[in-house]
Amino acid sequence: DTAVSQTPKYLVTQMGNDKSIKCEQNLGHDTMYWYKQDSKKFLKIMFSYNNKELIINETVPNRFSPKSPDKAHLNLHINSLELGDSAVYFCASSHFSREDEQFFGPGTRLTVL
Amino acid sequence: KQEVTQIPAALSVPEGENLVLNCSFTDSAIYNLQWFRQDPGKGLTSLLLIQSSQREQTSGRLNASLDKSSGRSTLYIAASQPGDSATYLCAVLNAGNMLTFGGGTRLMVKP
Repeated sequence: DTAVSQTPKYLVTQMGNDKSIKCEQNLGHDTMYWYKQDSKKFLKIMFSYNNKELIINETVPNRFSPKSPDKAHLNLHINSLELGDSAVYFCASSHFSREDEQFFGPGTRLTVL
Repeated sequence: KQEVTQIPAALSVPEGENLVLNCSFTDSAIYNLQWFRQDPGKGLTSLLLIQSSQREQTSGRLNASLDKSSGRSTLYIAASQPGDSATYLCAVLNAGNMLTFGGGTRLMVKP
């Protein structure tokens, strides 16, 4: 009965490859997010997405793209991976209400060699 | 641009102490503030959510306060236990439903 789940938990790949991380939530939320936690443990928002709107943090390279097949899923696609993409990526979800808390997945540790 | 700062960056206390973690933010136009706990190698667990119109929230031994006008929040942990050892993160909700996080306070409670 996991609320927000991500797969895979660990991902090791070579520079230049394209990879995807999957996220699913079973909380009935209508908004999902991707965050990046770098090596210094600093968490930064990458995307906020619901049915109507995708909001992108302007610092995110366009090699990163979220894809949502339905309201319960928001997958993260990364093209042409670079060394600096190594980080832990967290998915989260909430209701599209400014009064609601966000629930986070367990994270995916991406290592680019 | 919103910036969130947490002080101290690390804290070590003996078991049983009451302690206060601090969070400050530069833009007071927030919708809410959330405190999270992160254990090493794990995800984030939401501890407390304070709406912009509220002054404090309590859950068990945890009490969080919010002073929006001065851009400050504190997380008070009563009677600390070794199991409280973790990193505590403060985050504020801005436009676009995006959370801006502080750098965290790494807490160690020694038995």
